[in-house]
Amino acid sequence: EPEVTQTPSHQVTQMGQEVILRCVPISNHLYFYWYRQILGQKVEFLVSFYNNEISEKSEIFDDQFSVERPDGSNFTLKIRSTKLEDSAMYFCASRETGSGYGYTFGSGTRLTVV
Amino acid sequence: AQSVAQPEDQVNVAEGNPLTVKCTYSVSGNPYLFWYVQYPNRGLQFLLKYITGDNLVKGSYGFEAEFNKSQTSFHLKKPSALVSDSALYFCAVRDMEAGGFKTIFGAGTRLFVKA
Repeated sequence: EPEVTQTPSHQVTQMGQEVILRCVPISNHLYFYWYRQILGQKVEFLVSFYNNEISEKSEIFDDQFSVERPDGSNFTLKIRSTKLEDSAMYFCASRETGSGYGYTFGSGTRLTVV
Repeated sequence: AQSVAQPEDQVNVAEGNPLTVKCTYSVSGNPYLFWYVQYPNRGLQFLLKYITGDNLVKGSYGFEAEFNKSQTSFHLKKPSALVSDSALYFCAVRDMEAGGFKTIFGAGTRLFVKA
């Protein structure tokens, strides 16, 4: 069964450093998303991406965050200057064209900011 | 704005008994509704969805959910719980009138099934 792949599984970084979280969505999916989950609780929407541009973003997704699809397979989330409160599990998701489809999530990247 | 509420942080049920995990939603137009399950240290897995049609939808692992428009609810059900159903369950809503570009998740309900 096709999977969404995320790397690394765990990243530790110092406050103020830049991090890039990587995702490889399912190959025929065209809609991509980043969510985060803090302490195994609420899953928060960050951003959606379609047709090489951001479709929608939340208030969490401020100027410190950016997304990119640098080639035909990868989808990245960059945090320019990490803060302690950015520590969370970050999930990438993708879905097929057609508004009724559910998402396929990756296994996540646990980001720890120290 | 779309929102979804899961009023119970935790649901406890004995194996073999029926289970219900509650969800209510708020959207401006017709909702697309979803349930996902998360096992420890894993991503969310899609269980089922309601888009249109029959109010009772069936999904993976014997789960089903009932859409009730008047009560704006989409409760997850299973006739006979298994210990292996113990996990974190998320209800989610997609507001198509708002463009459908994001899906909002509830806070999650932890299901414990005791043997």
